[in-house]
Amino acid sequence: AQSVAQPEDQVNVAEGNPLTVKCTYSVSGNPYLFWYVQYPNRGLQFLLKYITGDNLVKGSYGFEAEFNKSQTSFHLKKPSALVSDSALYFCAVRPSGGATNKLIFGTGTLLAVQP
Amino acid sequence: DAMVIQNPRYQVTQFGKPVTLSCSQTLNHNVMYWYQQKSSQAPKLLFHYYDKDFNNEADTPDNFQSRRPNTSFCFLDIRSPGLGDAAMYLCATSSRGSGNEQFFGPGTRLTVL
Repeated sequence: AQSVAQPEDQVNVAEGNPLTVKCTYSVSGNPYLFWYVQYPNRGLQFLLKYITGDNLVKGSYGFEAEFNKSQTSFHLKKPSALVSDSALYFCAVRPSGGATNKLIFGTGTLLAVQP
Repeated sequence: DAMVIQNPRYQVTQFGKPVTLSCSQTLNHNVMYWYQQKSSQAPKLLFHYYDKDFNNEADTPDNFQSRRPNTSFCFLDIRSPGLGDAAMYLCATSSRGSGNEQFFGPGTRLTVL
C-alpha cells in the first residue's frame, strides 16, 4: 500500500536553532513529494515540492527539503527556526499514475519553537 | 489576488438539519477537492472534480454530496449531519498536471449541535 509516515507527532526546538521535520514514503514509481504548513483554524499552505532534478528543494519562508531516494525520505529543514514557524506540518505524496493530483498525507507533525 | 474562498468560515447546524458549504476559486483550476479534517489530523479526501467529472472516494458516506455548477464554484452538501460530522472542511484546487500543488481555502469549521 502507498503511504506517508511522519514519525514524530511533535518537534520542539529553540528559536535560532536548526529544525528538521521527518517524512518517509512508500509509493510505487517516481514520487512527487510536497510539504504543507497549517496554522490554527486555517487551511493548508504549500511550502515546497519535489518533482525531479536537484535533490535539495528550496521553498517558502526559508524552508528546504532534501529528497533521498535510497532512504525514501523527504525531510523538511530550516537553518534557523523562528517562533512564528510554530504550526502543524504535513508531508504529502502523489502516487504514480492518475491525472488528478490526489495526495496521500502524513499524519502531521506539530512544530513548537520556543523563544 | 487569485485565491480559494470558503463560506462561511464557521457553520453551526443541528443534528439532522441539512447544510451546504461553499467554495469558490479565482485560479481557473480544473480540479477541485473537498477534504474533511478532524482535530489536527491529516485531511481526508471526500471527493474531487476533474472538470465536471465527479470522483467519489470509496469510503465517503452517502450523507455527503457535492455539486460543481461551473469552473469557479463547488458545494459540499451534508444531507443529515451527525455529531461525528463536526470537523473542518477544506476546499482545494489544482491545475491539470501531475506535479502541480493544491491550493487550499481557509476552511469551514462545522459544529453540529
